[in-house]
Amino acid sequence: KNQVEQSPQSLIILEGKNCTLQCNYTVSPFSNLRWYKQDTGRGPVSLTIMTFSENTKSNGRYTATLDADTKQSSLHITASQLSDSASYICVVSDAGNNRKLIWGLGTSLAVNP
Amino acid sequence: KAGVTQTPRYLIKTRGQQVTLSCSPISGHRSVSWYQQTPGQGLQFLFEYFSETQRNKGNFPGRFSGRQFSNSRSEMNVSTLELGDSALYLCASTPGGTDTQYFGPGTRLTVL
Repeated sequence: KNQVEQSPQSLIILEGKNCTLQCNYTVSPFSNLRWYKQDTGRGPVSLTIMTFSENTKSNGRYTATLDADTKQSSLHITASQLSDSASYICVVSDAGNNRKLIWGLGTSLAVNP
Repeated sequence: KAGVTQTPRYLIKTRGQQVTLSCSPISGHRSVSWYQQTPGQGLQFLFEYFSETQRNKGNFPGRFSGRQFSNSRSEMNVSTLELGDSALYLCASTPGGTDTQYFGPGTRLTVL
């Protein structure tokens, strides 16, 4: 069964610190892998998208990495800000199933002052 | 361009009732997808519409239905509401040539 697992489930860090969120998947083959940010009470917003051949993609203070061999991705947040407090969701597109999206449960990040 | 809009934002219903949620996609986007989001299950795909036709469907009972109009606006309907239907219902629209989804703010449905 195709799955996307994220860790940790939740994380608390101090403002200004860096953090890394993990995403492991079993989806194969896959079209692309996305990271979304979802603020409380809002819909998810796409942060990065990577295809099979890409290793890293940055969006401001957000950097996503992808290791297609080990089926792992990470999202690194640099110099965290209070506004980074949100849920971060990893989504993998299943190339073998009409590009069906497989969603992770997300990591809930709280950035404290 | 205006983003995806969903109405209403909040809704309270009782068991057994039915509900209709509305979604207006970004102008020019012809694909609309619906998701149910609960804390323990994450985002669960309900269905996708493209040019007024249901293109994909998730594993939800027949109580959940939807439709899309010629202007790409979409509605989803849930009949005979159950307590477990309490969730955030998200709509996302997709432009042609890409599968990047743009989400609306969601409708928070509470079933009492």
